[in-house]
Amino acid sequence: NAGVTQTPKFRVLKTGQSMTLLCAQDMNHEYMYWYRQDPGMGLRLIHYSVGEGTTAKGEVPDGYNVSRLKKQNFLLGLESAAPSQTSVYFCASSDGQGEFFGPGTRLTVL
Amino acid sequence: GENVEQHPSTLSVQEGDSAVIKCTYSDSASNYFPWYKQELGKGPQLIIDIRSNVGEKKDQRIAVTLNKTAKHFSLHITETQPEDSAVYFCAASKGGNEKLTFGTGTRLTIIP
Repeated sequence: NAGVTQTPKFRVLKTGQSMTLLCAQDMNHEYMYWYRQDPGMGLRLIHYSVGEGTTAKGEVPDGYNVSRLKKQNFLLGLESAAPSQTSVYFCASSDGQGEFFGPGTRLTVL
Repeated sequence: GENVEQHPSTLSVQEGDSAVIKCTYSDSASNYFPWYKQELGKGPQLIIDIRSNVGEKKDQRIAVTLNKTAKHFSLHITETQPEDSAVYFCAASKGGNEKLTFGTGTRLTIIP
């Protein structure tokens, strides 16, 4: 099992550009999450999904959109990137017994 | 909503000594408390968890204690080793599909 995988691992964007981060899990988990991690602020929840076709807002959803068209995939989109979105993004999945995290995507917005 | 506070933010411990990290939570309905270890450049990894019907849980050199009355829980690492150096996060939730609320992390450094 690969667990939770994320692509890409690194990305540099210019302000105003768009991009999509892909998360995939092979554990058949119902729940999937997107977090951002900034120095001194721990992990903050952006959006999450409790099942295929469902999404919900987390603590810091502004500027991001998500989609869960397939159970194993959870996509995070930035429509118009801003420097404040420079961060490390982590995807996680869960069966309700604790979350399993991917390796992260380091995004820099210039 | 839930609020989780974690202390200390940094901790240096001599190799072989014990390390203790403490967290408090605000929502008395929370009943699931996991701990995560994050090594440099990697995602957080679940290392131990405890549910509200248990006061203590141990896994080799790692233990977690929970005091529901005081709404705090702690991570104890005994006989620390250099590979224990990492950032540790506590979290709390109401279980099931309820999302986790994380503490701000503790950077643990083991001094050889």
